[in-house]
Amino acid sequence: NAGVTQTPKFRILKIGQSMTLQCTQDMNHNYMYWYRQDPGMGLKLIYYSVGAGITDKGEVPNGYNVSRSTTEDFPLRLELAAPSQTSVYFCASSWMDGNTIYFGEGSWLTVV
Amino acid sequence: GDSVTQMEGPVTLSEEAFLTINCTYTATGYPSLFWYVQYPGEGLQLLLKATKADDKGSNKGFEATYRKETTSFHLEKGSVQVSDSAVYFCALSDRGGATNKLIFGTGTLLAVQP
Repeated sequence: NAGVTQTPKFRILKIGQSMTLQCTQDMNHNYMYWYRQDPGMGLKLIYYSVGAGITDKGEVPNGYNVSRSTTEDFPLRLELAAPSQTSVYFCASSWMDGNTIYFGEGSWLTVV
Repeated sequence: GDSVTQMEGPVTLSEEAFLTINCTYTATGYPSLFWYVQYPGEGLQLLLKATKADDKGSNKGFEATYRKETTSFHLEKGSVQVSDSAVYFCALSDRGGATNKLIFGTGTLLAVQP
């Protein structure tokens, strides 16, 4: 049972570089989310999607972009990496009722 | 807006001690409430949930009751083990907004000593 799969697990970026965090889920969930977790803090919502072709901003969207061309995939794009984007990123998905949200294992990103 | 407040850690207990981690929330609608657990180096796993007032969620010996009158969802376990050492997050789901966004507390680190 794959669930929510994120890649890469670890990445070091230089300031100004770009990259994409990949996320795919095999549960046919409508809803998908990207969160970031900073040390000693809870998770903050970056972007979310309620279905293919529909995305919207969360609490902390600046510096990121997303797309949702299929139900399964929800990539997160960092265009110009900054040290403030050093964090752990979690992708998640759920059914419309939202009663259970499933998380990926996380992607540890360091910007130097 | 909606928010979750949970007790600061770390919480350090001896094995077989009783655990309580406090969580209170502020919400305009009728949210679902969750406890997630994060073991070192891993992602978040759903521990238990409650979707309406007076519901009790339970799993792996952990329990939490949805108390609307006190806007609380405290996590309890009667006898903790070393393997319970992790960070515990209380969260609520914005079901009323039809987006199911989770709003998290800051997390409580639990360290259980043998």
